[in-house]
Amino acid sequence: EAGVAQSPRYKIIEKRQSVAFWCNPISGHATLYWYQQILGQGPKLLIQFQNNGVVDDSQLPKDRFSAERLKGVDSTLKIQPAKLEDSAVYLCASSTWTRRTYNEQFFGPGTRLTVL
Amino acid sequence: GENVEQHPSTLSVQEGDSAVIKCTYSDSASNYFPWYKQELGKGPQLIIDIRSNVGEKKDQRIAVTLNKTAKHFSLHITETQPEDSAVYFCAASTRGSQGNLNFGKGTKLSVKP
Repeated sequence: EAGVAQSPRYKIIEKRQSVAFWCNPISGHATLYWYQQILGQGPKLLIQFQNNGVVDDSQLPKDRFSAERLKGVDSTLKIQPAKLEDSAVYLCASSTWTRRTYNEQFFGPGTRLTVL
Repeated sequence: GENVEQHPSTLSVQEGDSAVIKCTYSDSASNYFPWYKQELGKGPQLIIDIRSNVGEKKDQRIAVTLNKTAKHFSLHITETQPEDSAVYFCAASTRGSQGNLNFGKGTKLSVKP
């Protein structure tokens, strides 16, 4: 099966500009996650969707970050305005959802953002 | 919130040797502990996981052990091969695999031929 798709793979912007990332999860996966991975660290969850509803956005900096998952399939993560500390790899992951709680999260290749 | 610490940050072994990576977690409610392998330019890939009701799990050359009392878990790779070279992350979750995965900072494993 096709994996999680993300675009663009790389993005370079100036601080205070805006940027958007796109994610297409594995077909049939109801749960979608956005993680931020700063160089040298593990991924940190920004937001989790169940279909088109938000399950967890407690670590999303809502003054500048926003995300949506219209129609419960593709998702877009936006940063406006960007800061230098937003330089990171943004990873999208997806998983099936069942009443069992052990469904693997599959990660995409990520978008590497550099803010100058 | 959950805090996951991972050691060592770098590990270099000779091909054929064993490698051990250790993690500790802070939240006693954590019930799911996956290990991910991340190669350069790629997203993390699950290699093995363990649930809180199991003490050990093995899959060919890879094994994971969990000590809930001490709140630590370890990854063991035997007969290492050059293709095992990558960054390995441990994680912990209080809501199974469908919840927020709290990751360690990673271990860069280098296997020298």
